[in-house]
Amino acid sequence: AQSVTQLDSQVPVFEEAPVELRCNYSSSVSVYLFWYVQYPNQGLQLLLKYLSGSTLVKGINGFEAEFNKSQTSFHLRKPSVHISDTAEYFCAVSDGDSSYKLIFGSGTRLLVRP
Amino acid sequence: DGGITQSPKYLFRKEGQNVTLSCEQNLNHDAMYWYRQDPGQGLRLIYYSQIVNDFQKGDIAEGYSVSREKKESFPLTVTSAQKNPTAFYLCASSTNLNSPLHFGNGTRLTVT
Repeated sequence: AQSVTQLDSQVPVFEEAPVELRCNYSSSVSVYLFWYVQYPNQGLQLLLKYLSGSTLVKGINGFEAEFNKSQTSFHLRKPSVHISDTAEYFCAVSDGDSSYKLIFGSGTRLLVRP
Repeated sequence: DGGITQSPKYLFRKEGQNVTLSCEQNLNHDAMYWYRQDPGQGLRLIYYSQIVNDFQKGDIAEGYSVSREKKESFPLTVTSAQKNPTAFYLCASSTNLNSPLHFGNGTRLTVT
């Protein structure tokens, strides 16, 4: 069964510094990959997705992620973070033949300090 | 604007009572989902429905029930059989196999 690992439960970073949030998944078969952001007491909002094509995916709010099939990773990056980026970030993966069932990682809390 | 509406935002119940959480969408999406979120954990799938009058169990369906009588609505009932019902419940929808999920703002259920 597919599984998703987010290695860091919390990542503290200073404002305007770069950040990388790590995500690894278990299976190298055809997959769809997603990053979602959750602000306190709200639902999840899609940041970006990888379905096929270019391995470098750009999303909203200046975030990007790179699909690495050989390392089964989909790390999220931003070159310069803002205070407003403080939130919980979830990586999710679905099997390529059925994206109805997303498997979510346990989340990484990004804490941006002034 | 189109979106997913979950109500109420906060819900309090006594142990042993059934409670129904509402989820309505006006996005014309075929598929709808219920997830449960606990502190420090990812989202876990409770039930999902690909079309009207059809639904499947997710990974943690025990103690929950759903119905899908209309395309726009996918209510979730938390029954007294659910041993740890206190959690944040998220409803989502999607249009097809290649589309991402759209989420509601969640309902925080507290059972005492």
